[in-house]
Amino acid sequence: DAMVIQNPRYQVTQFGKPVTLSCSQTLNHNVMYWYQQKSSQAPKLLFHYYDKDFNNEADTPDNFQSRRPNTSFCFLDIRSPGLGDAAMYLCATSRDPELPTDTQYFGPGTRLTVL
Amino acid sequence: AQKVTQAQTEISVVEKEDVTLDCVYETRDTTYYLFWYKQPPSGELVFLIRRNSFDEQNEISGRYSWNFQKSTSSFNFTITASQVVDSAVYFCALFQGAQKLVFGQGTRLTINP
Repeated sequence: DAMVIQNPRYQVTQFGKPVTLSCSQTLNHNVMYWYQQKSSQAPKLLFHYYDKDFNNEADTPDNFQSRRPNTSFCFLDIRSPGLGDAAMYLCATSRDPELPTDTQYFGPGTRLTVL
Repeated sequence: AQKVTQAQTEISVVEKEDVTLDCVYETRDTTYYLFWYKQPPSGELVFLIRRNSFDEQNEISGRYSWNFQKSTSSFNFTITASQVVDSAVYFCALFQGAQKLVFGQGTRLTINP
C-alpha cells in the first residue's frame, strides 16, 4: 500500500507559469517535508510542516511556497518557475521531528520540467 | 559543520560480486544518527538502516551489512553477492537536529548481469 503519494509523477510547465505539486500520506504523520533534488545531486530540504507550523529553510527562494490544509495533504507551489527549478521534488513524512530516531518516509517524487 | 562525504560517485560491478559503499561524516555532536537510503530509478528514497552514535555494532540484514566506526567517522555499506536489482543510487545521511537530514552526494551503483 502506498504510504506517501505524489501527484503527478511528471509535470511539465512553462517558464513563469505557476505550478502546484501535490503530496498525500496515509501514515497520519505529524511532519511533512519537501525536498528538491537536481540531477546527480543530493536531496535538498526546502521546508517542512510540523502539524500546522511551517518551517522554511533559510536558503529556500521566495518563489517556493507550501500549504498544508490538513494532516494528509501538503502542496508545493512554485509561483514563477525558472529553468533552474527543473528538478525532482520529493515529499517525505515523519512522525515526530524531535526524535532523532524517527525515520523519514519518502514518496516517489514529481519530476518537474520547465520549458 | 555537519557534513557527509560519499567519495565514490559511481561504482560498476558484475553480478554476484561484493561491493562496499563508503560514507564518511563530520559532526561535533556527541549524539547523532546515521542513515542509508536507496533510490532506485523510480525515484523513491527507500529507507535501509538507521544507526545511533552509541551503537557501534555492525549490522547484517540479509545480503546487506553496515560497518560503523566512530574512530574513523565512517559508516560503510556492503552488499554481498550483488544482484541486478541492487542497481540504484545510495545515499548516506546524518541527522543534524532541527528536523534536518544532511545527505551525502550519493553513489550510483550499477550491477551488470
